[in-house]
Amino acid sequence: SYELTQPPSVSVSPGQTARITCSGDELPKKYVYWYQQKSGQAPVLVIYEDTKRPSGNPERFSGSSSGTMATLTISGAQVEDEADYYCFSADNSDNLYVFGSGTKVTVL
Amino acid sequence: EVQLVESGGGLVKPGESLRLSCAASGFPFSTIWWSWVRQAPGKGLEWVGRIKSKTDGETTDYNTPVQGRFTISRDDSKDVLFLQMNSLKIEDTAIYYCTAGFNIYWGQGTLVTVSS
Repeated sequence: SYELTQPPSVSVSPGQTARITCSGDELPKKYVYWYQQKSGQAPVLVIYEDTKRPSGNPERFSGSSSGTMATLTISGAQVEDEADYYCFSADNSDNLYVFGSGTKVTVL
Repeated sequence: EVQLVESGGGLVKPGESLRLSCAASGFPFSTIWWSWVRQAPGKGLEWVGRIKSKTDGETTDYNTPVQGRFTISRDDSKDVLFLQMNSLKIEDTAIYYCTAGFNIYWGQGTLVTVSS
């Protein structure tokens, strides 16, 4: 079965840059989506189609993708950015989708 | 305003069935592909399955753990999405979210607990 691999945790100081990676064999051909989930809340879309940011979302969130790795970057991380972040994409059939295992971002 | 409201969760015994509903408002329900995503207690997100729009054939796809037991359907006349869950297992215990498109919008989820 298809898998997306994320680091379990990332720590960053306030104002610094956090980078969360997501690797998968199909990423050169498939879009990646990123979601933020704060404790006790439903997830929220932060990046879609590799690099696009939904309107109204903070500009400090950006996405990129190269080869088999996609990256979510938080430039100038804020305390309120502490959350779990998940990547999401499709397998080569486009009939099965998968979430990454999630990355806990700590800002302190 | 976009709103998704799930309902139908609860406590059931292994082997029993449950049907979840998701009422949508604020955007064109019939044109969208819909999905269900679940999250077991303390665990990550897991894609459950998806139903395409009627114009795209209304076909469904499911993740391996639920294939053959879960069925997704939609009622475009009432803007409601369904998840029929049969032969429930303890490992199906989770919060179930309905999502629009590529999980662009999410409901608040409904908790399903499978326990003897």
